[in-house]
Amino acid sequence: QKEVEQNSGPLSVPEGAIASLNCTYSDRGSQSFFWYRQYSGKSPELIMSIYSNGDKEDGRFTAQLNKASQYVSLLIRDSQPSDSATYLCAVRDDYKLSFGAGTTVTVRA
Amino acid sequence: NAGVMQNPRHLVRRRGQEARLRCSPVKGHSHVYWYRQLPEEGLKFMVYLQKENIIDESGMPKERFSAEFPKEGPSILRIQQVVRGDSAAYFCASSSQGGTSGGRTDTQYFGPGTRLTVL
Repeated sequence: QKEVEQNSGPLSVPEGAIASLNCTYSDRGSQSFFWYRQYSGKSPELIMSIYSNGDKEDGRFTAQLNKASQYVSLLIRDSQPSDSATYLCAVRDDYKLSFGAGTTVTVRA
Repeated sequence: NAGVMQNPRHLVRRRGQEARLRCSPVKGHSHVYWYRQLPEEGLKFMVYLQKENIIDESGMPKERFSAEFPKEGPSILRIQQVVRGDSAAYFCASSSQGGTSGGRTDTQYFGPGTRLTVL
């Protein structure tokens, strides 16, 4: 599997702040990128997918992709305690997903 | 809203026993993937199947592990003679397409997982 690196956590942010998550990948040919959220003891839940360079916004979430830098990020605006989870960056390699180790986010009230 | 279903949700086996994990994909999805998440580690790809075909099993240990996706019924991940190192969460995902279409049809949706504990 190709390498996917995420910024090490855990990341603690106050409620209402912006949480910034970063991810780099090794395969320059990768085309599909995903952010999954995983609560403790639960399965990964897709929150964002991005395929083109630039920003993609969905509610409080914004994904950013820069293929030249092999970099994808996720911003969580107005962080809520319910956002406390592990966020997994995934890169599609043909049909299989390569995951980063995840960044654990804690939103403190 | 029938998503990916997996059973059992929790499975306890003693060393040397067999474990059978079942996965029913989203209705209409014909592509199934199995991933394993070891404690404190990330998700790792194991195997990719379409109906009656194993497409890629490069992530699956060569011995004791096998997978199938028959024409009728769920996909099965089988682990023979389990060892303590097999203790992990096993997730199944499905998609409506398997190629790099770069669109929503290649999105993989995950089931709730089976947590295997080997005593």
